[in-house]
Amino acid sequence: DSGVTQTPKHLITATGQRVTLRCSPRSGDLSVYWYQQSLDQGLQFLIHYYNGEERAKGNILERFSAQQFPDLHSELNLSSLELGDSALYFCASSVGPGFEPQHFGDGTRLSIL
Amino acid sequence: GESVGLHLPTLSVQEGDNSIINCAYSNSASDYFIWYKQESGKGPQFIIDIRSNMDKRQGQRVTVLLNKTVKHLSLQIAATQPGDSAVYFCAEALSKALGGKLIFGQGTELSVKP
Repeated sequence: DSGVTQTPKHLITATGQRVTLRCSPRSGDLSVYWYQQSLDQGLQFLIHYYNGEERAKGNILERFSAQQFPDLHSELNLSSLELGDSALYFCASSVGPGFEPQHFGDGTRLSIL
Repeated sequence: GESVGLHLPTLSVQEGDNSIINCAYSNSASDYFIWYKQESGKGPQFIIDIRSNMDKRQGQRVTVLLNKTVKHLSLQIAATQPGDSAVYFCAEALSKALGGKLIFGQGTELSVKP
């Protein structure tokens, strides 16, 4: 158990809908990262927050947004969903702002019908 | 696009043998490298990391070797066990200024035969 909690484990929804994925980092970790894992793209970095502030952005679509709250949990919002958004979404956390092990949750599997 | 290059091989080894998983990374400016193990239905699990000012680091049953000259990273697993069966990913981070963005390779599937 990594100590990173992601909810829900599974989400099934339709195109055009909006969903929110939630992540609670390990106790004491200030950084939260979001990654997308799909069969054709592998693990792709989306965004990094450190202590409530955005630190780095990857190829995150404009339809996607994230935030980290004062209690350090994070949410990833996906809107106007398309079939191609079906993937595993992972959250990871680390103590500091980078260059240290990131500990991953078990992911949210998003299926768009 | 940018990538850390694993050729998506499958490595099959006998229980008790040593395993070597290789990774070619693309950016000579990368400063930090990390190996993860991913089992089916789980998130990536941290194995070992290494910074660019080192060429070798050892953990429990695992060793990571970094060859910056040829931009090559390897993970050695000693006395491989059936529980080591998983997909292994290498990843690199470019710069602290760019935050904690990790660039992952495509993964190697390790299969351990009892």
